[in-house]
Amino acid sequence: ETGVTQTPRHLVMGMTNKKSLKCEQHLGHNAMYWYKQSAKKPLELMFVYSLEERVENNSVPSRFSPECPNSSHLFLHLHTLQPEDSALYLCASSQDRFDVSGTGSYEQYFGPGTRLTVT
Amino acid sequence: QQQVKQSPQSLIVQKGGISIINCAYENTAFDYFPWYQQFPGKGPALLIAIRPDVSEKKEGRFTISFNKSAKQFSLHIMDSQPGDSATYFCAAGAHAGGTSYGKLTFGQGTILTVHP
Repeated sequence: ETGVTQTPRHLVMGMTNKKSLKCEQHLGHNAMYWYKQSAKKPLELMFVYSLEERVENNSVPSRFSPECPNSSHLFLHLHTLQPEDSALYLCASSQDRFDVSGTGSYEQYFGPGTRLTVT
Repeated sequence: QQQVKQSPQSLIVQKGGISIINCAYENTAFDYFPWYQQFPGKGPALLIAIRPDVSEKKEGRFTISFNKSAKQFSLHIMDSQPGDSATYFCAAGAHAGGTSYGKLTFGQGTILTVHP
């Protein structure tokens, strides 16, 4: 496997279900991201993990719960979702550069996404 | 202030023509401006990017033009091909709050269709 992989590619779940999305990056990166992509909207950043520590949570409802057990894996645990949560969920990774110049890497590499439908 | 405005929403071009997509931003802290290309069923892929210290960057048929004073940047696709048909997103990057990772703010996307 190369790049960023996501499973499952498609998921249909009821509002009372609990499911998890999985992301794995094979690039040796140290930062991982979850984005939500809805039709005709900009990509919405949900969570950022840098060196396995959550560094950003963009006011995401608690029914979305991320987990980053190591620098290669990222999960998004879902429970009691709403129909408006139906979207494409994208995972991305990048290589942070912790240098004093502050010129960290912006190059994010995306997975193919999980198409989520909440019924 | 964090928004990036992209236009047009959709664009139809004949094969061999020039495709032009525009983006505008407000936040002067942005210091990285990439364009992503997304095909159906795929995640966005980095196409080309520019830093604000240059006004133009060209890679093959793809060129970014950057106007720092106007806070605008654009993607030009020369000799557009049917295989270029995809959704294109502009983005702008900044290190918010002294973080070490690059935070990107995306435009709404442009659906490009190139007719043969």
